[in-house]
Amino acid sequence: AQRVTQPEKLLSVFKGAPVELKCNYSYSGSPELFWYVQYSRQRLQLLLRHISRESIKGFTADLNKGETSFHLKKPFAQEEDSAMYYCALSGWTGNQFYFGTGTSLTVIP
Amino acid sequence: DGGITQSPKYLFRKEGQNVTLSCEQNLNHDAMYWYRQDPGQGLRLIYYSQIVNDFQKGDIAEGYSVSREKKESFPLTVTSAQKNPTAFYLCASSVPGASGANVLTFGAGSRLTVL
Repeated sequence: AQRVTQPEKLLSVFKGAPVELKCNYSYSGSPELFWYVQYSRQRLQLLLRHISRESIKGFTADLNKGETSFHLKKPFAQEEDSAMYYCALSGWTGNQFYFGTGTSLTVIP
Repeated sequence: DGGITQSPKYLFRKEGQNVTLSCEQNLNHDAMYWYRQDPGQGLRLIYYSQIVNDFQKGDIAEGYSVSREKKESFPLTVTSAQKNPTAFYLCASSVPGASGANVLTFGAGSRLTVL
């Protein structure tokens, strides 16, 4: 079965501190991993995906197949990073997506 | 703005009534999805459609129905058989990215409340 686990429902950090949002997955195959973000009063949108190996808004995420993890990291949190973050997995067909339960990040000024 | 339009934004329904949520996209995407978003449960897939006139059940399809008669439209009907229909519903569409992995584009959502 496909499953995405985000162990932290709520996460608070001070501005300028490092932040890490955890995501673990289980999948019998080679999945694509994503992070989606929902800012207040905005639509859910793609933040980044592992296949692109890019840094968006200072965030990075490395796929660790051994630990089946895809943690989202940023060295210095900003107030505008406060949002709900969802880790998601896409199966080999590319058309089915499975989401974690989300982590609400609050950056304290 | 272009993209995915969901309507209505808010909807109230009495128990025992069916209600249909609209989802329209002008992105020329082939695949469309309906998710249900509940606090603490993330997004759960209700139905998805990869092409016109074809759709597949997701994890929580019971009590819901869909149709895909046109590429740009994927309406969701919440029937009276759905035991706990009060929720926030998200429609999405996708197109294969350069790497082959699809990327989802979401609508603004519809909040259904059953009285």
